[in-house]
Amino acid sequence: EIVLTQSPATLSLSPGERASLSCRASQSIGTYLAWYQQRPGQAPRLLIYDASKRAAGIPARFSGSGSGTDFTVTISSLEPEDFAVYYCQQRNDWPLTFGGGTKVEIK
Amino acid sequence: QGQLVQSGAEVKKPGASVKVSCKASGYTFVAYGITWVRQAPGQGLEWMGWISAHNTNAKYAQKFQGRLTMTTDSSTTTAYMELTTLTSDDTAVYYCVRAAALDWFDPWGQGTLVTVSS
Repeated sequence: EIVLTQSPATLSLSPGERASLSCRASQSIGTYLAWYQQRPGQAPRLLIYDASKRAAGIPARFSGSGSGTDFTVTISSLEPEDFAVYYCQQRNDWPLTFGGGTKVEIK
Repeated sequence: QGQLVQSGAEVKKPGASVKVSCKASGYTFVAYGITWVRQAPGQGLEWMGWISAHNTNAKYAQKFQGRLTMTTDSSTTTAYMELTTLTSDDTAVYYCVRAAALDWFDPWGQGTLVTVSS
């Protein structure tokens, strides 16, 4: 099973600041990584797929990068609606797995 | 783009079973599959399994083998997830998501809260 480790667990930032979230895979997964955002009380939604492609309707302030085992999602300037939990997920092999999540909270 | 609408919240006793439905619309149902993901209170996301809506192909997470059954009905474009022998550890929100095999999850259903309590 491919284990995804996200860091940090919590990120405390102010609106307008830049956020960088990390996801590390236990083995190489190419670019078979996605990022999801989950706001409180809502279902997750797809943000980034194939490591760097924005899903439909996702603002340009979100960007993804990485390949192999190390991945990052960056929010260039935090908006109030971006304070949420972010999960990475791999589709390289079964079983599909998620990282433990990073909570981006208001400082 | 597609939409998934799930059945309502359930309260079950330990040892019982639960069956959650997921009605798909707005896309060609048999061109994709359905993934089931659950989220215990205050916890992260856990992949449970995936089933094709085209044939009987399915993948199950090992921890749910023997206790989880996923099915689809193309005539009603509805997917079902049945979990048996429930314990308090199964208390969670259960999500269905459209996904092809080894694919991304999009869109998500609204979630179904299953509470297991005596």
